[in-house]
Parts: sequence; structure tokens; C-alpha cells
Amino acid sequence: NAGVMQNPRHLVRRRGQEARLRCSPMKGHSHVYWYRQLPEEGLKFMVYLQKENIIDESGMPKERFSAEFPKEGPSILRIQQVVRGDSAAYFCASSPITGVASNEQFFGPGTRLTVL
Amino acid sequence: ILNVEQSPQSLHVQEGDSTNFTCSFPSSNFYALHWYRWETAKSPEALFVMTLNGDEKKKGRISATLNTKEGYSYLYIKGSQPEDSATYLCASINNAGNMLTFGGGTRLMVKP
Repeated sequence: NAGVMQNPRHLVRRRGQEARLRCSPMKGHSHVYWYRQLPEEGLKFMVYLQKENIIDESGMPKERFSAEFPKEGPSILRIQQVVRGDSAAYFCASSPITGVASNEQFFGPGTRLTVL
Repeated sequence: ILNVEQSPQSLHVQEGDSTNFTCSFPSSNFYALHWYRWETAKSPEALFVMTLNGDEKKKGRISATLNTKEGYSYLYIKGSQPEDSATYLCASINNAGNMLTFGGGTRLMVKP
């Protein structure tokens, strides 16, 4: 049973370009979470999605960032017109259920975005 | 927003030493506390999920306790081994059971 897959593992973009980060949840998981780790900081929640729905995007910057989790295919975190401050490690996690405090989230290996 | 704090930030121990570190969190509106182990270049791996005051959980040489009234959890490692070297993260979860709020982690280095 493959774990959570993220690609690419490393992504380099120039300022103003778009970055697309992909996350394939574990088999049977329909809940996806994105977290960001800025340099010298801890993991911070960005967004929670179920299939075709954004449930909670309270941690997502209001501009340039968007996320989707289509019926078919991976979840995508999209950053438009990247700036140097977007350089970070972006982690995806998935779970089979939610709404339960003991809900375990399974993490992917992350995508390290570098903006030149 | 829940503030989760971990101490110390980093810790160096010798192989065979036992060690422990702390996670503190707001005791009001507590739902659950998660501990993760995170090796460099790998995915964070779940160790424990703790929900009840007084909970004690154990996995091999690693164990954890929970005090929800005073808002802290301890993680213990008995007889540390070099392969225990990793960052140990704790995270509190919100009432909807979907958002983890992480502490800054404790980075453990075990010298052979």
C-alpha cells in the first residue's frame, strides 16, 4: 500500500512564474490537507479538501494560492506569480476519515519549492 | 488558534542515555494531541494519538504521557540509539478533527 505521494520533490521557479504541486493521497483516503514549512519555522496548516470540495482554507494566503482535489487525479496546490517568500517545503497529508479528534493524518515527503 | 510549544528545541545525548522532552498546549478546548517522528528527507511518521487525561502510550522504547488539565505531554525515549535521531513534533487538533497545529519540534541527535 503506497503512502502519500508528492511530486515533484524539488521545484525551482523564477519570480513571477507559476508553481504546481501535486499530491496523491493514500489509497482509500478521500481527505487531503496541505501544510507549509517556511525556513526556520514549524509546519503550518494551509487548507483541507475533500473530493471536489474545499472544506477549510483558513491557513491559505488570500492571493495567488489555490488548491483543488478533483474527482479523478491528485490534489493540486497552485501558486501563481511566485515570490521569494513562497520558498518553503509544502507537505500534503491524507486521512480516510475526518471529524474525529483521534484522526491520524499520513504525510507525504514534501515538495521543496525554491524561488529564484 | 492554538499555540503549541515544544522544549527543548534541540538535544544531544549519548547512545544508551534516556531522554525526555515536553510539549505544552492550551488546556481549554482540548481534543487530542498527536506525536510525530520526522527523519530528515522523509515524511513525518505518526507515533501516538492521545486523547484522555492521564493517557500513557508506549511503542518499543518510546512512550508518552498526557496531562490535559495543565496542558502538557512528555515524550520519553529509553536507552537512546543513533537511529532515534530525528525531529519529534507534537500537534494539537481542532474540534473538527481536521487541522493540526504543530509545535516547533525537538531535534534529537544521538551520538554513538
